[in-house]
Amino acid sequence: DGGITQSPKYLFRKEGQNVTLSCEQNLNHDAMYWYRQDPGQGLRLIYYSQIVNDFQKGDIAEGYSVSREKKESFPLTVTSAQKNPTAFYLCASSRFAGYGYTFGSGTRLTVV
Amino acid sequence: AQKVTQAQTEISVVEKEDVTLDCVYETRDTTYYLFWYKQPPSGELVFLIRRNSFDEQNEISGRYSWNFQKSTSSFNFTITASQVVDSAVYFCALSEAMTGGGADGLTFGKGTHLIIQP
Repeated sequence: DGGITQSPKYLFRKEGQNVTLSCEQNLNHDAMYWYRQDPGQGLRLIYYSQIVNDFQKGDIAEGYSVSREKKESFPLTVTSAQKNPTAFYLCASSRFAGYGYTFGSGTRLTVV
Repeated sequence: AQKVTQAQTEISVVEKEDVTLDCVYETRDTTYYLFWYKQPPSGELVFLIRRNSFDEQNEISGRYSWNFQKSTSSFNFTITASQVVDSAVYFCALSEAMTGGGADGLTFGKGTHLIIQP
């Protein structure tokens, strides 16, 4: 079955460390997205990519980095510059705007 | 810039009651898409409905119905005869077709936490 796989499901990071969250899709979707969710908040867009080797900053890109070397993969790195990284991270993809967005099951990141 | 407002932070009802979740949006585009998602405690977002800006017909799917009114920029969601399994956080979201080339993601409201008590 086609879908989006996010790993790991839970991730613990020590302060000052960089960590990378994985997002893989086999839906042949061109566009991919990373969202952050904090308790009681909606989802906020971190980065998005419409095609391979191209990506754009979303509303809260500071302290994060991404790459899009393959159509299927869109990893997110949470750098030490992100001051408050503890959150729930969701990856999504879409074939084109408005058609529909498929979400992964999320990664819960905790700074210890 | 686009914006989605879900004014109801939390709603609690007794099972079998009807409940309406409100969603108000702002956009400058004439072509846009509206969505509702359900987020159960597991965290994954479950797609419920997509509506484009040119289709103002109300939609009914089982116990779920949606009322889209462009005149008031609202896209409200009603659950009829609610069940405990409906308990979740519900998000309304907007995607603009023209701004940013059309694939710059969804703008979400803050969500409404719906609690259905047995």
